[in-house]
Amino acid sequence: GENVEQHPSTLSVQEGDSAVIKCTYSDSASNYFPWYKQELGKRPQLIIDIRSNVGEKKDQRIAVTLNKTAKHFSLHITETQPEDSAVYFCAAKNFGNEKLTFGTGTRLTIIP
Amino acid sequence: GAVVSQHPSWVICKSGTSVKIECRSLDFQATTMFWYRQFPKQSLMLMATSNEGSKATYEQGVEKDKFLINHASLTLSTLTVTSAHPEDSSFYICSARDRPVETQYFGPGTRLLVL
Repeated sequence: GENVEQHPSTLSVQEGDSAVIKCTYSDSASNYFPWYKQELGKRPQLIIDIRSNVGEKKDQRIAVTLNKTAKHFSLHITETQPEDSAVYFCAAKNFGNEKLTFGTGTRLTIIP
Repeated sequence: GAVVSQHPSWVICKSGTSVKIECRSLDFQATTMFWYRQFPKQSLMLMATSNEGSKATYEQGVEKDKFLINHASLTLSTLTVTSAHPEDSSFYICSARDRPVETQYFGPGTRLLVL
C-alpha cells in the first residue's frame, strides 16, 4: 500500500519568512495530493491540493509543487504570519482507492 | 462550502458502556464517509471507510465488532464504540466526500474519555 513520509516533524520560522514542508510517497499510481492544516483541538482543513497532471499550484501565500518522477511534493508558505502556526498534514491518494494516506504531520510555529 | 458536522463534540462515559457518534454532511451528499482516530500529537489513523448502503470496510487491526459503523443515508454515518474501555479514549474524526470529487471534508471531531 501507499506510504507517505513527511519532513520536518517540527519547524520554527520567523514571522515574514517562508516555510517549506516536504512529503514523499511510494505508490507511483497516486494522483491526488491534498494538504490539511489542523489547529489544536480542531478539525483538519483543506488548504490546497494538487493533481498529478499539474506540477505546481498557487493560492495567495500558499503553493504546492509536485515532482512525479521523484515522487515528492512540497508545501510552500510565504510571508508567514502567526495564524499560520498549526500542524500541517500531507496526504496521497490514487484513483483506484477510496482512502487518503496521511503523512505524520509537521508542527509549524511562527515566531513573532 | 462543504460542511460536515459531528455530534457529540465531547463524551465521558463509564467503562463497559457503548457510545454513538454521529457524522452528518450538511450541504452535500456524502457517498463515502471515513472514520479516523487521532491520538495526541499524532497523525490521523483511518479506521474504516463506508459507502452509503454498503457494509463498512475496516482497516487492518480495527475490530469491526467493537467499532460499529452504519452509513444508512447519503448525509449520515454513525460510529458506535461498543463496551468502551479506557484505551478507547481518543479523538474520533469523520470525513465525507461526494464521488467523483476527491476532496474529503472533515467533521469537528468527538473527544471520547472512558473512565
